[in-house]
Amino acid sequence: AQSVSQHNHHVILSEAASLELGCNYSYGGTVNLFWYVQYPGQHLQLLLKYFSGDPLVKGIKGFEAEFIKSKFSFNLRKPSVQWSDTAEYFCAVNKNYGGATNKLIFGTGTLLAVQP
Amino acid sequence: EAEVAQSPRYKITEKSQAVAFWCDPISGHATLYWYRQILGQGPELLVQFQDESVVDDSQLPKDRFSAERLKGVDSTLKIQPAELGDSAMYLCASSLGTSVNEQFFGPGTRLTVL
Repeated sequence: AQSVSQHNHHVILSEAASLELGCNYSYGGTVNLFWYVQYPGQHLQLLLKYFSGDPLVKGIKGFEAEFIKSKFSFNLRKPSVQWSDTAEYFCAVNKNYGGATNKLIFGTGTLLAVQP
Repeated sequence: EAEVAQSPRYKITEKSQAVAFWCDPISGHATLYWYRQILGQGPELLVQFQDESVVDDSQLPKDRFSAERLKGVDSTLKIQPAELGDSAMYLCASSLGTSVNEQFFGPGTRLTVL
């Protein structure tokens, strides 16, 4: 079945450690890719997105993600995490099947806990 | 900063009762989405509106769920009757249009069915 996979369900890091969260999708053709973040007690917000062009995209708060088409991946990275990065991170894919739909397919999320 | 509003934030109900959730999208956003997020999973689209018209309700359990956006602005999602398995977070999102646009999410309504 077509899906979005996030293999890391829980990640625990110490402050200043580097972060990489995996995201793989199984849709062929053109896709648009997103990372959303949900901080404790807050709503989902966009971290970064890839539509086309440079496969290395930069988002807010020092996050970046690299689109590797041959690997169907869109991994999220941050060189040095902070305690305030503790949150749940969701990868999402938009596969436009034509018509008016703008459907986002989400992964199951990765809960990141950063220890001070 | 404009935000998507949802109410109530929390709802506890007994099974077989009716519940309704309300969403007010960001002003000017033509497209509105309802998602359901079960604990431990990512959000799943239930229904998408373009103005007042439904453009995708393929994952909406139509025997018990209904959604409307009568004037193309705010929207209501209803469940009747509620079942234990409906316990989840119900998220509303909006975007400018149906082409690929960033979706802005509201705070959600946490439903618990007893």
